[in-house]
Amino acid sequence: EPEVTQTPSHQVTQMGQEVILRCVPISNHLYFYWYRQILGQKVEFLVSFYNNEISEKSEIFDDQFSVERPDGSNFTLKIRSTKLEDSAMYFCASSEILQNQPQHFGDGTRLSIL
Amino acid sequence: DAKTTQPPSMDCAEGRAANLPCNHSTISGNEYVYWYRQIHSQGPQYIIHGLKNNETNEMASLIITEDRKSSTLILPHATLRDTAVYYCIVRETGGFKTIFGAGTRLFVKA
Repeated sequence: EPEVTQTPSHQVTQMGQEVILRCVPISNHLYFYWYRQILGQKVEFLVSFYNNEISEKSEIFDDQFSVERPDGSNFTLKIRSTKLEDSAMYFCASSEILQNQPQHFGDGTRLSIL
Repeated sequence: DAKTTQPPSMDCAEGRAANLPCNHSTISGNEYVYWYRQIHSQGPQYIIHGLKNNETNEMASLIITEDRKSSTLILPHATLRDTAVYYCIVRETGGFKTIFGAGTRLFVKA
């Protein structure tokens, strides 16, 4: 069964450094998403992306964050200058045509900011 | 905020059916009910979704009440591997974001 893959599984970064989290969505999916989950808390929506544009973003997704689809298969989340509070699991998801189709999630990247 | 209410935890004996309830009394006509689960710290796993009819797939059954104000996810023969947090989510057709609540932590016991 096709799945969303994320790399790396664990990323350790010094505070203030830039980090890029990578995702390969399911191949025929057109909508892409990033979510995060701080340890012990709920899964939170960050951003959705379609047709090379952000379609919706949350308050969390401030100017420090950006997303990109650099080629036909990858989808990335960049955090420009990481803060301690950015430490979390980051999940990528993708879905087919928007309508009622479910989002399928990857297993996440654990980001640890030191 | 999440538009659903779920019990924080439930127990189920291995091999028995697990029935997980969800209240979504403010659901509107174009909103679907989705169920996901999260095992340990893995990514949320899609289980099933529906609008108003009952649905069944290889993982589970979804029973939605006629007034659509509540639903039940049924795992027909729970195994130890079904121990997870189960999320009931309401999302409108055409909506981008999935809003997760706290979910129900299901413990399947031998």
